[in-house]
Amino acid sequence: QAVVTQEPSLTVSPGGTVTLTCGSSTGAVTSGHYPYWFQQKPGQAPRTLIYDTSNKYSWTPARFSGSLLGGKGALTLSGAQPEDEAEYYCLLSYSGAYVFGTGTKLTVL
Amino acid sequence: EVHLVESGGGLVQPGGSLRLSCAASGFTFSSYSMTWVRQAPGKGLEWISYINSGSSAIFYADSVKGRFTISRDNAWNSLYLQMNGLRDEDTAVYYCARGGSGSSWFEFWGQGTLVTVSS
Repeated sequence: QAVVTQEPSLTVSPGGTVTLTCGSSTGAVTSGHYPYWFQQKPGQAPRTLIYDTSNKYSWTPARFSGSLLGGKGALTLSGAQPEDEAEYYCLLSYSGAYVFGTGTKLTVL
Repeated sequence: EVHLVESGGGLVQPGGSLRLSCAASGFTFSSYSMTWVRQAPGKGLEWISYINSGSSAIFYADSVKGRFTISRDNAWNSLYLQMNGLRDEDTAVYYCARGGSGSSWFEFWGQGTLVTVSS
């Protein structure tokens, strides 16, 4: 089974910009992996922010965007807010199987 | 409003069985794929099973293949996860998630139900 890796932790200043990445042990992440990004706050269920690389839901704040960057999936947060402090998980699709990333704890400080 | 409510969790001994349910409301259940995801205490998310709207496509993670069975009853707007041969490492909060249109497979989430496997 593939391993999907993320930065264990990142820190961003309020109003700042940060990029979280999502790598695959099988090689470059492509649109064919349909990268997803989820936000999870302590004691809460996950919330899906991005699907299929860059698509947003109605509840996804405009400051979040998804892309492919340097062979990885990427989530960019532009203009970080205190409420963005959370754990972020990516997910990749592998022909009928799905693998979550290891998670990134994002601190807004 | 989409509503997903998991139930059926609890304490079970190693080797035992448990059946989880996910009651859906606020949408046409039969039109959407469904997924089970779990999270061990203090750990990350783990995808465990997927079923499409008509139950014709079903997938499992290697960690549960042969032990867990996903199913759905579109007449009762319900998703199920039959878990047999439970192990300590199956201890987790189990979430159900609803798909959306196209390649959106994890659009809405329930609040989860806790399964504890312990003697």
